[in-house]
Amino acid sequence: NAGVMQNPRHLVRRRGQEARLRCSPMKGHSHVYWYRQLPEEGLKFMVYLQKENIIDESGMPKERFSAEFPKEGPSILRIQQVVRGDSAAYFCASSPPPGTEAFFGQGTRLTVV
Amino acid sequence: QQQVKQSPQSLIVQKGGISIINCAYENTAFDYFPWYQQFPGKGPALLIAIRPDVSEKKEGRFTISFNKSAKQFSLHIMDSQPGDSATYFCAASPNDYKLSFGAGTTVTVRA
Repeated sequence: NAGVMQNPRHLVRRRGQEARLRCSPMKGHSHVYWYRQLPEEGLKFMVYLQKENIIDESGMPKERFSAEFPKEGPSILRIQQVVRGDSAAYFCASSPPPGTEAFFGQGTRLTVV
Repeated sequence: QQQVKQSPQSLIVQKGGISIINCAYENTAFDYFPWYQQFPGKGPALLIAIRPDVSEKKEGRFTISFNKSAKQFSLHIMDSQPGDSATYFCAASPNDYKLSFGAGTTVTVRA
């Protein structure tokens, strides 16, 4: 049973470009969560999605960031017009319904140059 | 604003010693308190978790102590081993999914 798969593992973007981060949850998991980890800091909640629905996006920046979890395919975290401050590790986690353990992927390390 | 405060930032312990990491929170709505272990280049992995209806939980060499009145909880790693060298995060959640993480503690176990 493969774990949570994130790709790419490393992503370099120039300022102003778009970044697309993908997350395939564990088999049987229909709940996906995105977190951001800045250097020397803990993870910060961004968004919680179920298939085709955004449940809680209270941690998402109001501009440039969006997330989706379509009926088919991986969850996507999209960052438009990236800035240097977006450089961070972005982690995805998945679970069966909340209340059970969420498993984290290995993360995507975004570097904006 | 850090909802969960974690200390120390780093610690060094000799093999066989005890590592102790402390966390404090303010939000009384939190009712799930997990600890995560993270190795460099990897995602966090759940180590052990506790709910506020118990004051202590032990799994192998790892123990969580929970003090609801003080709004504090701690992780004890007994008989620390070099393989325990990692970054440890405490977290808290009011609803089982929206985790608020501490800033992390880097533990180094010297052989």
